[in-house]
Amino acid sequence: AQTVTQSQPEMSVQEAETVTLSCTYDTSESDYYLFWYKQPPSRQMILVIRQEAYKQQNATENRFSVNFQKAAKSFSLKISDSQLGDAAMYFCAYRSLNYGGSQGNLIFGKGTKLSVKP
Amino acid sequence: EAQVTQNPRYLITVTGKKLTVTCSQNMNHEYMSWYRQDPGLGLRQIYYSMNVEVTDKGDVPEGYKVSRKEKRNFPLILESPSPNQTSLYFCASSLGDGYNEQFFGPGTRLTVL
Repeated sequence: AQTVTQSQPEMSVQEAETVTLSCTYDTSESDYYLFWYKQPPSRQMILVIRQEAYKQQNATENRFSVNFQKAAKSFSLKISDSQLGDAAMYFCAYRSLNYGGSQGNLIFGKGTKLSVKP
Repeated sequence: EAQVTQNPRYLITVTGKKLTVTCSQNMNHEYMSWYRQDPGLGLRQIYYSMNVEVTDKGDVPEGYKVSRKEKRNFPLILESPSPNQTSLYFCASSLGDGYNEQFFGPGTRLTVL
């Protein structure tokens, strides 16, 4: 079974600085999808960025980018020019490419709480 | 507006009193799912459905039931709630393909006394 590990329960960053959140996963599959979700105090789950494992190029969405290292099974999230609104819980998630049955499920890490200091 | 709705948003109940949390999506998604979120544990899947009349257990199904009679609705049923089911519950939906974004509802905060 796949597992997702976020080793940093809490992180802090100064406004306008850059921060990197770590995520590692374990799988025997060669193709899959990886996601980062943001959960602000409102509790809403918001998709930040996603990556297809068979694509070499790291995904980027404005100030958010990932460092995907497939061999190391690592999927870190970099937030540039941090803003106060980035303060939230961030979850890394894995989903199998082979949609069908439980393989279609999102498997979440335990989350990293990010604080942004003004 | 494309969205997933859940009701109620907050619920306090007592042990053993049957309850239903409704979930509805207006995006014609095939895939729907229920998660519970507990501090330090992240989100864990309870049940999922790949289409109408097709449901299956997730990682933590004990004490829960679901049904999928219509494509848009996926209610979560707790027939005899217990205090260990106190949690934050999320419904989510997506198109069938795994790359597609799962859209989450706003969450239901359930307290079982």
